[in-house]
Amino acid sequence: NAGVTQTPKFQVLKTGQSMTLQCAQDMNHNSMYWYRQDPGMGLRLIYYSASEGTTDKGEVPNGYNVSRLNKREFSLRLESAAPSQTSVYFCASSESGLTNEKLFFGSGTQLSVL
Amino acid sequence: EDQVTQSPEALRLQEGESSSLNCSYTVSGLRGLFWYRQDPGKGPEFLFTLYSAGEEKEKERLKATLTKKESFLHITAPKPEDSATYLCAVRNFNKFYFGSGTKLNVKP
Repeated sequence: NAGVTQTPKFQVLKTGQSMTLQCAQDMNHNSMYWYRQDPGMGLRLIYYSASEGTTDKGEVPNGYNVSRLNKREFSLRLESAAPSQTSVYFCASSESGLTNEKLFFGSGTQLSVL
Repeated sequence: EDQVTQSPEALRLQEGESSSLNCSYTVSGLRGLFWYRQDPGKGPEFLFTLYSAGEEKEKERLKATLTKKESFLHITAPKPEDSATYLCAVRNFNKFYFGSGTKLNVKP
């Protein structure tokens, strides 16, 4: 089972460049999430999609956009990258978004913005 | 404001030396407290979910407990393969709030 697949694994951008992080899950989960992880700050929610066709802002949405392309795929776009967006990005999914649903994570994308 | 604080930031143990990791939280409407394990270069992996004060869950050398304000992850007789970062998270409706983790290093 592939689970949650993220691409790319590593990326270096220059300030002002744009890029899209891709995420796909093969578990037929309804809910998908994008987090960033910075040293000493834990995982912070950027955006989430409770179900296909819906998206909502998390704790740190500024500078990002998302698209829930279909039930399997949830992409994160940086329109104009800034050094403050240097981080490790994780995509996650859960079955239905109910109280007892645990998150399944991808292996992450390490992004550096110079 | 919903908040999760983990302590200590780092913990070094000898193999077989038991200890506990702490997760204290403030959340307006707790809908589960979660423990995850994260190995270097990988995404977090689910360990436990706790829902109510007094609840306990065990898995091999790990036991998680929950009170109204905090959770503990007890590690009994740890082995080097238990070395990892342990993350605590609380859920409030559709959002999970994570602590910054405790990095555990178990020396043989």
